[in-house]
Amino acid sequence: AQSVTQLDSQVPVFEEAPVELRCNYSSSVSVYLFWYVQYPNQGLQLLLKYLSGSTLVKGINGFEAEFNKSQTSFHLRKPSVHISDTAEYFCAVRAHAGNNRKLIWGLGTSLAVNP
Amino acid sequence: DGGITQSPKYLFRKEGQNVTLSCEQNLNHDAMYWYRQDPGQGLRLIYYSQIVNDFQKGDIAEGYSVSREKKESFPLTVTSAQKNPTAFYLCANSNTEAFFGQGTRLTVV
Repeated sequence: AQSVTQLDSQVPVFEEAPVELRCNYSSSVSVYLFWYVQYPNQGLQLLLKYLSGSTLVKGINGFEAEFNKSQTSFHLRKPSVHISDTAEYFCAVRAHAGNNRKLIWGLGTSLAVNP
Repeated sequence: DGGITQSPKYLFRKEGQNVTLSCEQNLNHDAMYWYRQDPGQGLRLIYYSQIVNDFQKGDIAEGYSVSREKKESFPLTVTSAQKNPTAFYLCANSNTEAFFGQGTRLTVV
């Protein structure tokens, strides 16, 4: 079975500052890793994903994440945030193979970008 | 732009009434999911289906029912047995990653 821990429930940051949203996972099998963003009263939108290959993954809206297998982490970063990045961010994992390939979700991190 | 469509976006019902939320996809994905979202609780899985005519209970299935008669459709019924049905409901499908609908906000009064 897999589990996901998002280490910060809320992250306040000033506009144009860098931000890191932290995600750790546990799994006994190889996993795919994802970050999603949710704006108020909307569905979730994929920001980026790690399937294989380069451990540094670039996504939409200037976000990137690095897969660290030894630390079982997949932290999301952006060098300079905008007011429009204010949203809820979710980290998720799923097993590569096997019968149980449901997505397992973290509880989310609320990013608040202040002027 | 296609993908996955939930309807309606807002839904009001009186306590004690069953209500069905619609979820339709045009991505031809086998797996479909229903999640419930409450403030501060992330996404909680209600039901999922990995193939037509088959579905499994998720973590909070009590008071809900689903059907999967067609690959394109995965409706969710919130029954009167659900003790606290007011919430934001999200439908998703997946191949490798998940694709989400825009959600239905259900308010029971």
